[in-house]
Amino acid sequence: DIQMTQSPSSLSASVGDRVTITCRASQGINNYLAWYQQKPGKVPKLLIYAASTLQSGVPSRFSGSGSGTDFTLTISSLQPEDVATYYCQKYNSAPLTFGGGTKVEIK
Amino acid sequence: QVQLQESGPGLVKPSGTLSLTCAVSGGSISSTNWWSWVRQPPGKGLEWIGEIYHSGSTNYNPSLKSRVTISVDKSKNQLSLRVSSVTAADTAVYYCARQQAVAGTGGFDYWGQGTLVTVSS
Repeated sequence: DIQMTQSPSSLSASVGDRVTITCRASQGINNYLAWYQQKPGKVPKLLIYAASTLQSGVPSRFSGSGSGTDFTLTISSLQPEDVATYYCQKYNSAPLTFGGGTKVEIK
Repeated sequence: QVQLQESGPGLVKPSGTLSLTCAVSGGSISSTNWWSWVRQPPGKGLEWIGEIYHSGSTNYNPSLKSRVTISVDKSKNQLSLRVSSVTAADTAVYYCARQQAVAGTGGFDYWGQGTLVTVSS
């Protein structure tokens, strides 16, 4: 089965900073990758699908890129409301594996 | 607006069977979407359990496959999850979720609010 590895596992950045999270698949998954945001105590929220397409209503400071095995989620200007854990997920075929998560905090 | 609502016992004894239901409203479980169960142990990450299509086709996480059954009841517009031989490691918040089905899309666009299941005697 394909494994999904995220890095870093946590990061601390200042408001306004550019933040980048990476997700690596152990085998190619084309662009069948989604990103989720989970705020503390809340339900995960779909941010991006097809590696780079923003889900409706998601702020434009979020962007995704990549294809094959290497993907990135970028927050162009970190805001206080972006404090959350971010997960990638492959959905090209079952099992629909999640990455381990990246916790984003404000410095 | 599609809504998903999980329900079931919040406490299950070790070696017992965990049973949950996810009621779907605002949409049909017989649509072209796949429906999944996802769990999250306290303080840990998300784990995909498995998925079902309204036809009854299923896919499971290999690590759980021997203990998991997902089913669908089209007359009640709901899906169900059963996990047998549970241990403390099965303690988690359990979510049901819908996978987007429009061509070119993907990911889980609708989630239930989650239900905490604790395995303890």
